Amino acid sequence: EVQLVESGGGLVQSGESLRLSCAASGFTFASYAMTWVRQAPGKGLEWVSSISAIGTGTYYADSVKGRFTISRDNSKNTLYLQMNSLRAEDTALYHCARWVAGAGTKWFDPWGQGTLVTVSS
Amino acid sequence: DIQLTQSPSFLSASVGDRVTITCRASQAISSYSAWYQQKPGKAPKLLIYGPSTLQSGVPSRFSGSGSGTEFTLTISSLQPEDFATYYCQQLNSYPITFGQGTRLEIK
Repeated sequence: EVQLVESGGGLVQSGESLRLSCAASGFTFASYAMTWVRQAPGKGLEWVSSISAIGTGTYYADSVKGRFTISRDNSKNTLYLQMNSLRAEDTALYHCARWVAGAGTKWFDPWGQGTLVTVSS
Repeated sequence: DIQLTQSPSFLSASVGDRVTITCRASQAISSYSAWYQQKPGKAPKLLIYGPSTLQSGVPSRFSGSGSGTEFTLTISSLQPEDFATYYCQQLNSYPITFGQGTRLEIK
């Protein structure tokens, strides 16, 4: 079974840092790009960052560029999101998802249940 | 950035109804679109990609269509388990964007 399990969330003060992890199982992790998507309480989905299968390509939303860093360790089947200089507006449930490409299109599947990040000001 | 606008944002319907949700993009997104269903406290679930391919295991009452800048998700006969929030997504270019969501509630 393909599975993604996030961890590392918590309550931090504004300006502090957190590192999120996403443990993957049930598929060949090194063959897929991966992504982080967040959802603020009661709000919609916001793409945060993506990384290519071998980690050479990284992409960020403007709202986190320069503060967040996405990375992966294919030997550990794990995706990371290093979050620095956290702000109250970063408070959200952070999901990781597998980026799938095929049949001339792309999609995110599956998604993890998410890890909650709360930033107090 | 490509903006996605879903309509309606809120939909009240009954079991057995046929409903359609529309997603309009601010520019053409080719076939790089997807639809997700999200229930409270759960992760989003892929329903349709590309824009009309049904994900494995998704009931056939769900269908998708469209091209260019307008895409639709149709549920042919609503079931109780379909009451949820639905999001469209474009993966044509960065930043990846989602529609604001359509909340589907029981009438």
